Amino acid sequence: QVQLQESGPGLVMPSETLSLTCTVSGAPISIYYLSWIRHSAATGLEWIGRIYNTGNTKYSPSLESRVTVSADTSKNQVSLKLNSLTAADTAAYYCATGDRSSFDNWGRGILVTVSS
Amino acid sequence: SALTQPASVSGSPGQSITISCTGTTNDFDDNNYVSWYQQHPDKAPKVLISDVNKRHSGVSNRFSGSKSGITASLTISGLQAEDEADYFCSSFTGSNTVIFGGGTKLTVL
Repeated sequence: QVQLQESGPGLVMPSETLSLTCTVSGAPISIYYLSWIRHSAATGLEWIGRIYNTGNTKYSPSLESRVTVSADTSKNQVSLKLNSLTAADTAAYYCATGDRSSFDNWGRGILVTVSS
Repeated sequence: SALTQPASVSGSPGQSITISCTGTTNDFDDNNYVSWYQQHPDKAPKVLISDVNKRHSGVSNRFSGSKSGITASLTISGLQAEDEADYFCSSFTGSNTVIFGGGTKLTVL
């Protein structure tokens, strides 16, 4: 079964750029649509964006100006970059596979705190 | 903005509860791409229901989904202590994006 693992910094300074990586094992990422989703106590679950197996991307309108999702098929990884961070970006970040609104495989998540 | 869910619901063991999820016509795009998730504290969400009423593999038949117009619903019958968790709905919008509900905290009394 496919497994996903998020990695990256747990603490980031305001105004900086967050870079996270999702490493996929058990199957090539080329067969999946992969999304980034975050969760905070204040706002609940929020979909950030998706990369399709074609390499095309789709982002949440509220985050589109600050986010980039990309894939490295040689490493079987998907990356998330989110710039101009504020405290409101503090959340647990997850990568997940799935189509439309159904996400069936999730990573364990990584807690990211934005603070100076 | 997020789909609208009640902040909290509660029920006693053995009872049934229903959680609603209301959006706009664009949120639901007149389609059946509504999903429901269960999330326990400090755990990743787990998909329960996809496509309005299709239970995911291994999910108890105590969980069922439905949709009428711009309101989707999740019903949990025969409440058990282990059902105490947060529940989120999600929809695939007419803009090919995903929107989640604000979440509902279920308390089993």
